[in-house]
Amino acid sequence: AQTVTQSQPEMSVQEAETVTLSCTYDTSESDYYLFWYKQPPSRQMILVIRQEAYKQQNATENRFSVNFQKAAKSFSLKISDSQLGDAAMYFCAYRSGAYTGTASKLTFGTGTRLQVTL
Amino acid sequence: DAGVTQSPTHLIKTRGQQVTLRCSPKSGHDTVSWYQQALGQGPQFIFQYYEEEERQRGNFPDRFSGHQFPNYSSELNVNALLLGDSALYLCASSWTGSRYTEAFFGQGTRLTVV
Repeated sequence: AQTVTQSQPEMSVQEAETVTLSCTYDTSESDYYLFWYKQPPSRQMILVIRQEAYKQQNATENRFSVNFQKAAKSFSLKISDSQLGDAAMYFCAYRSGAYTGTASKLTFGTGTRLQVTL
Repeated sequence: DAGVTQSPTHLIKTRGQQVTLRCSPKSGHDTVSWYQQALGQGPQFIFQYYEEEERQRGNFPDRFSGHQFPNYSSELNVNALLLGDSALYLCASSWTGSRYTEAFFGQGTRLTVV
């Protein structure tokens, strides 16, 4: 079974600074996807960024980028120029690339609470 | 596009009772997955429905059951509620037409069992 570990329960960053959230995962599969989701107080999970395991290039979405180290099974999220609106719970998630007619389930880590201070 | 909608937003039930939670998927989506998120934890996969059948199931007891309707909406039923069933229940929808499909989540139903 796949597992996802987030070892930072809480992180804090000043506005306009950069912060990196860590995530490690364990799998025996070679085909999979990794995601970072943001969950603000409104509770809705919002996809921040995704990475396909077969792609060597790290994904980037505006201020958000990842450092994907496949051999080390590490998938960290870097938030640049942090904004007050970035404050939320951030979850790292894994999904198998195996496709049997429907997409596989998401396996989540325990989350990192990000605080953004002035 | 209303996105994924869940009802109700909050619910209080008594131990031993039964509860039904509802989910309408995003327009164009045909697959619905349910997750349980206990306080301070990440979501845990309960099950997934496609073509009105349960396709995948997580490690949850049979007290948790579901249904998908022809319009792709879905219900999650929990029988004989336990205090430990108190959690945020999230619904996610996706489109089966692509293996690269992205899951869209609703705002969840907060269930409190007393």
